[in-house]
Amino acid sequence: AQKITQTQPGMFVQEKEAVTLDCTYDTSDPSYGLFWYKQPSSGEMIFLIYQGSYDQQNATEGRYSLNFQKARKSANLVISASQLGDSAMYFCAMYQGGSEKLVFGKGTKLTVNP
Amino acid sequence: AAGVIQSPRHLIKEKRETATLKCYPIPRHDTVYWYQQGPGQDPQFLISFYEKMQSDKGSIPDRFSAQQFSDYHSELNMSSLELGDSALYFCASSFLGLPSYEQYFGPGTRLTVT
Repeated sequence: AQKITQTQPGMFVQEKEAVTLDCTYDTSDPSYGLFWYKQPSSGEMIFLIYQGSYDQQNATEGRYSLNFQKARKSANLVISASQLGDSAMYFCAMYQGGSEKLVFGKGTKLTVNP
Repeated sequence: AAGVIQSPRHLIKEKRETATLKCYPIPRHDTVYWYQQGPGQDPQFLISFYEKMQSDKGSIPDRFSAQQFSDYHSELNMSSLELGDSALYFCASSFLGLPSYEQYFGPGTRLTVT
């Protein structure tokens, strides 16, 4: 069964610094996709970035980049130049081939300090 | 850009009552997913529909049922509500014709059962 592990319940970062949120996954299917979502205190789930298992290059979306290390089964999210508005819960999620349902990790609560 | 619409945004029900949650996907999206997120928990997949047919099923209680209509909107019907059903219910939509199964989430319906 597929599984997502986020080992950092909480992270703190200073404004304007970069931060890495860890995510490891476990699947035996060669075809899968990895996602990061941001959930502010208001509750909505905001799509940030996607990485497919066959993608050759790491995904980037503005200040977000995904450090995809397939052999280590890790998909860490890097946020550059942190902003106060980045304070939120961050979830790593994946689907595996044949099923588009997402399985989520437990999340990491990021706090950006001024 | 149009997003996923969910109604109502907040719902308060008493034990043993019924509730109906509605989801309107992004235009041209053909797939709808329902997730349940308990307090302090990660979202859990309930059920999904593709082209009005159930495509996958997760840990959805027998007291819950769902369907997707001809206009692609979906409804989640919940009966004999229990205190443990109090959660944030997300609907997400995607278009399976895209190379990635990017799922875009609605703002959620916060259900409180008293």
